Amino acid sequence: TQLLEQSPQFLSIQEGENLTVYCNSSSVFSSLQWYRQEPGEGPVLLVTVVTGGEVKKLKRLTFQFGDARKDSSLHITAAQPGDTGLYLCAGRNSNSGYALNFGKGTSLLVTP
Amino acid sequence: DAGVTQSPTHLIKTRGQHVTLRCSPISGHKSVSWYQQVLGQGPQFIFQYYEKEERGRGNFPDRFSARQFPNYSSELNVNALLLGDSALYLCASSLATGVINEQFFGPGTRLTVL
Repeated sequence: TQLLEQSPQFLSIQEGENLTVYCNSSSVFSSLQWYRQEPGEGPVLLVTVVTGGEVKKLKRLTFQFGDARKDSSLHITAAQPGDTGLYLCAGRNSNSGYALNFGKGTSLLVTP
Repeated sequence: DAGVTQSPTHLIKTRGQHVTLRCSPISGHKSVSWYQQVLGQGPQFIFQYYEKEERGRGNFPDRFSARQFPNYSSELNVNALLLGDSALYLCASSLATGVINEQFFGPGTRLTVL
């Protein structure tokens, strides 16, 4: 059973378009992290959100943590080919201890 | 500063063999976690070690074992390899303190079992 559900699974867009990917769960998380992973490499941490309703911005990327701390979204403005990759959300809750529970990821392709 | 390092980068084994994967954490990090990522999936938690003690274990068989050394580096051992063990094995290090406990990943070891 996947604790975190990510949607969409695949996304192919053209350079300059905006997009939003979602990370949903029925569980409450004490913190949630977003990673980007390129083929054959390890995930790279983008952001950590902790407080319900929190919004964080990283250049053209905007991350939001749901008020109930059960869901999160990642919005990319004016996507560029360099944004291509697998976007993973991962969370910790009271049952997972220090382990991270990952979603399956959203595979994003941005074409010029 | 050096990030998390893992060795080897790639490994090819046959069924029934044994494999040892190695990980060095970021300097100052005392916790190491291991994850398995099969193609098309997110990473799955295998183990976490802190100060040489096992802190958590995921839903993996006893063929999987790990340990952490006094310098905080770690080894993951897998016995009696199966075809299904083919995956990218990721090591992550963290300070392991506080609520956030951000984990930073190494580049992984790609294991292929034939």
